[in-house]
Amino acid sequence: DGGITQSPKYLFRKEGQNVTLSCEQNLNHDAMYWYRQDPGQGLRLIYYSQIVNDFQKGDIAEGYSVSREKKESFPLTVTSAQKNPTAFYLCASSISGARDTQYFGPGTRLTVL
Amino acid sequence: GENVEQHPSTLSVQEGDSAVIKCTYSDSASNYFPWYKQELGKRPQLIIDIRSNVGEKKDQRIAVTLNKTAKHFSLHITETQPEDSAVYFCAALSGGYQKVTFGTGTKLQVIP
Repeated sequence: DGGITQSPKYLFRKEGQNVTLSCEQNLNHDAMYWYRQDPGQGLRLIYYSQIVNDFQKGDIAEGYSVSREKKESFPLTVTSAQKNPTAFYLCASSISGARDTQYFGPGTRLTVL
Repeated sequence: GENVEQHPSTLSVQEGDSAVIKCTYSDSASNYFPWYKQELGKRPQLIIDIRSNVGEKKDQRIAVTLNKTAKHFSLHITETQPEDSAVYFCAALSGGYQKVTFGTGTKLQVIP
């Protein structure tokens, strides 16, 4: 699981600001995912991408945006439209799709001040 | 969309006892069911998975059973050890097989 990295580990944001979370993988995986983890709510899917230049909304996409310009990278932007952004964000990748094992990054904890 | 329910939310067992975590799913078309373990402060990692063409799968002390008719699947951990203490998540493949939906997690505590 050292092949997928997220930065920064901790991030603080003022209300009204956009912020971008980084996710990089060197596993040559086609599929990448962003999850939000809140206490008692498990992992909720924000966005996913199965191939470069293509991505789909997950279950809680409102207030978030992504891009997939490179196979290795899948950055997540938390916009000011996200009303409750304080959470732990996990990025994951898999070989080709959801039928494959997902490998998670170490996560970014975002706190809105 | 798919709905995955997981029970219990917390579970405490004595070291050496067995632990069982149960999940139900709503989409009868789901056919892949992974289980992830997340130790405190660490990232989730796959520990076992099962596909719908089998009813049970074992890997040393852990096993998963699947009942497609009832739409539920369970994780069984035998001879529990303190290092088994973690949060366990079940999941089901859904959304036209493009994504997995996770349960809400079970915090397992193994008491030495």
